[in-house]
Amino acid sequence: EAGVAQSPRYKIIEKRQSVAFWCNPISGHATLYWYQQILGQGPKLLIQFQNNGVVDDSQLPKDRFSAERLKGVDSTLKIQPAKLEDSAVYLCASSLVTGATNEKLFFGSGTQLSVL
Amino acid sequence: KNEVEQSPQNLTAQEGEFITINCSYSVGISALHWLQQHPGGGIVSLFMLSSGKKKHGRLIATINIQEKHSSLHITASHPRDSAVYICAVRAEGGSQGNLIFGKGTKLSVKP
Repeated sequence: EAGVAQSPRYKIIEKRQSVAFWCNPISGHATLYWYQQILGQGPKLLIQFQNNGVVDDSQLPKDRFSAERLKGVDSTLKIQPAKLEDSAVYLCASSLVTGATNEKLFFGSGTQLSVL
Repeated sequence: KNEVEQSPQNLTAQEGEFITINCSYSVGISALHWLQQHPGGGIVSLFMLSSGKKKHGRLIATINIQEKHSSLHITASHPRDSAVYICAVRAEGGSQGNLIFGKGTKLSVKP
C-alpha cells in the first residue's frame, strides 16, 4: 500500500515570498489533515478536509495561508506571503475513518520549510 | 498549561532496558494516539487507544481513562527505537479533526 506522499521535501524561501506544498493521501482516505510542526513542539492542526469539504480550519491563519482539495484527493497548502515564524515542518496526514474507535492516522514525511 | 503533557521530555537508555513514557491530559477524550517520529519528520502511528491496553511486538500502551493518563512501554529497548514519541488525544465533543498533541519525548537508546 502506497503511503501519504508529500512534496517538496525541503523548501527554502525568503520572507514575503510565496510557497506551495502538495499532498497525495492514501487512496480511498476521505479525511486529509495539514499540520504545522515548529521545532521542539508537537504538530498543530491547520486544516482538516472530509472529501473536498473543510471540516475544521479554525487554526489556519487565513490572512496568509490557504488550502484546497478540489477533487477530494490531492491537496495543496499555500503560504502567501511567508513570514519568518512560518519556518516549520508541514505534515500531511490521512485517515479512512475519522473519530471511530478503529481510526488510524497515516502521515507523510513532511515538507521542511525555512523562511530566511 | 498544555492540555497534553508528556514526561520525560528526554530519555537516554542503555540497550535492553525497559522504558516507560508517560502522557497525562486534562480534557475528556474519545481516543488517544501514540506516534513515533524519526529524524527527518516521518511519523508512524503506533497505537490508538480508547480503553485498556494494547500490545504490538515490544511495545505496550495502556490507558486509564479515570486518571486521564496513558503510558507507552518498550521492552528490551534497541538503538533503532531511538525516536521522538508523541502522545495525541482526540477531545470529546470538539471538532473531530483536532488532535491535541503533546510535545513529545525524545528517546535515545545507546548500544
